[in-house]
Amino acid sequence: LAKTTQPISMDSYEGQEVNITCSHNNIATNDYITWYQQFPSQGPRFIIQGYKTKVTNEVASLFIPADRKSSTLSLPRVSLSDTAVYYCLVGVASGGSYIPTFGRGTSLIVHP
Amino acid sequence: DTEVTQTPKHLVMGMTNKKSLKCEQHMGHRAMYWYKQKAKKPPELMFVYSYEKLSINESVPSRFSPECPNSSLLNLHLHALQPEDSALYLCASSQDQFRSGNTLTRTLHFGNGTRLTVT
Repeated sequence: LAKTTQPISMDSYEGQEVNITCSHNNIATNDYITWYQQFPSQGPRFIIQGYKTKVTNEVASLFIPADRKSSTLSLPRVSLSDTAVYYCLVGVASGGSYIPTFGRGTSLIVHP
Repeated sequence: DTEVTQTPKHLVMGMTNKKSLKCEQHMGHRAMYWYKQKAKKPPELMFVYSYEKLSINESVPSRFSPECPNSSLLNLHLHALQPEDSALYLCASSQDQFRSGNTLTRTLHFGNGTRLTVT
């Protein structure tokens, strides 16, 4: 089963770059890696998704090595509003389907 | 604002009550999901509907009864709940259900949830 492992928490300061790594040793060949951000009492919000190498959008970058056993979410120049829980998500195979399964999440606190 | 709308935002119910949670999306997505999230824990999948049919039930107790009246609506009927069922209930949708060999991008769109308190 593809499961994910992330650090439970991280601290950073405004203006710094933050890198959060997720391990997914048993990821399926055709599965994507997706990262979500969640604020208290809100639903998770899509940040970025990738299959291999590097993906970049207006808010983040995602680095995926060739073996795809891990991925790193990079948040450039964080601000206080980036304080949130960050989840990586892969599919867990079950009876021909994939169950979108969240890891434990990384609680990021950005300090002034 | 999200593209997935959940009502009500908050719900308090007694253990003998019957209530329903509602979810609506108009993105043309064919898969819809119910997740349960306890405080400081990740969302846990409860049910998946694909093309209006129940596809996955993650061994959820029968006091939770899902319903998908049409491709845009998803309900969760609640009856005889326990205090430990208090949680944030999240609805999500995606273009299609995650499947082996399906390379469609698998992006979940979440609502902001219903905060349920069982007294």
